[in-house]
Amino acid sequence: QVQLVESGGGVVQPGGSLRLSCAASGFTFSSYGMHWVRQAPGKGLEWVAFIRYDGSNKYYADSVKGRFTISRDNSKNTLYLQMNSLRAEDTAVYYCAKPGEPITVYWYFDLWGRGTLVTVSS
Amino acid sequence: EIVLTQSPGTLSLSPGERATLSCRASQSVSSSYLAWYQQKPGQAPRLLIYGASSRATGIPDRFSGSGSGTDFTLTISRLEPEDFAVYYCQQYGSPYQLTFGGGTKVEIK
Repeated sequence: QVQLVESGGGVVQPGGSLRLSCAASGFTFSSYGMHWVRQAPGKGLEWVAFIRYDGSNKYYADSVKGRFTISRDNSKNTLYLQMNSLRAEDTAVYYCAKPGEPITVYWYFDLWGRGTLVTVSS
Repeated sequence: EIVLTQSPGTLSLSPGERATLSCRASQSVSSSYLAWYQQKPGQAPRLLIYGASSRATGIPDRFSGSGSGTDFTLTISRLEPEDFAVYYCQQYGSPYQLTFGGGTKVEIK
C-alpha cells in the first residue's frame, strides 16, 4: 500500500524542540526527493523543506531556515524534520509529501500523509 | 516569489451545478506548471490536476483544469455531494520553488 505516515507531533513550549518522522511504504523511497508542508489551524498550505533523494541537497522556506533541519534514512524508508527554537507561529499540522516525479526540481505532490499536529504554547 | 490569488474565497452552489474556480498568478507560470488540490476537513490535500490540465490518477472526469500564463481555472462540471471542500492551486514553474494559493471553499447552497 502506497502511503506516508507522520508521527512525533505534540505540545512544546516556545523555544523548545521536536522531531517529526514520516514512514514511507509502497514506493521506492530512495528514488524520490521528499518534502514537508505545513498548515496552520484554519489557514492555507505552506511549503517548509525539501531533501534530495540521496540527502545531498536540502532547501528550506525562509520562515524556518536556520531552525529546522530535514533529513532522511533510506535504509529505513523514513523522512525526518528536526525543529528547534520553536515559535507560536510554527503551530500547524505538518505533512510529508511525495513529488509526482522521481528526479525533478519542479514540485507538485501526488501523495500526502495524514499529518501530525505541532502546537507551540506555554 | 510568485503570488497566487484564488477567487472567489467561497463559492455557494447546489449539487449538480457547475463550479468554476480561478487562480491568478502575479507573474507568468513557466510551462503551465500549475496544480490543483482538494482538501476536506481533517484530511490531507489530494492532487486533482497537474500541468494545468492533466488529471491525476483516479480523478473523475468531471474535474478539469485549463489556463496558461497567469490565469488558470479549475472546473467541476456537475457537483457531487463529495465535492464540497476547499480547493488550492499551487505553482511549481521555477526550480526549487513553489507557492500555494489561499484556497477557495466550495460550500453547499
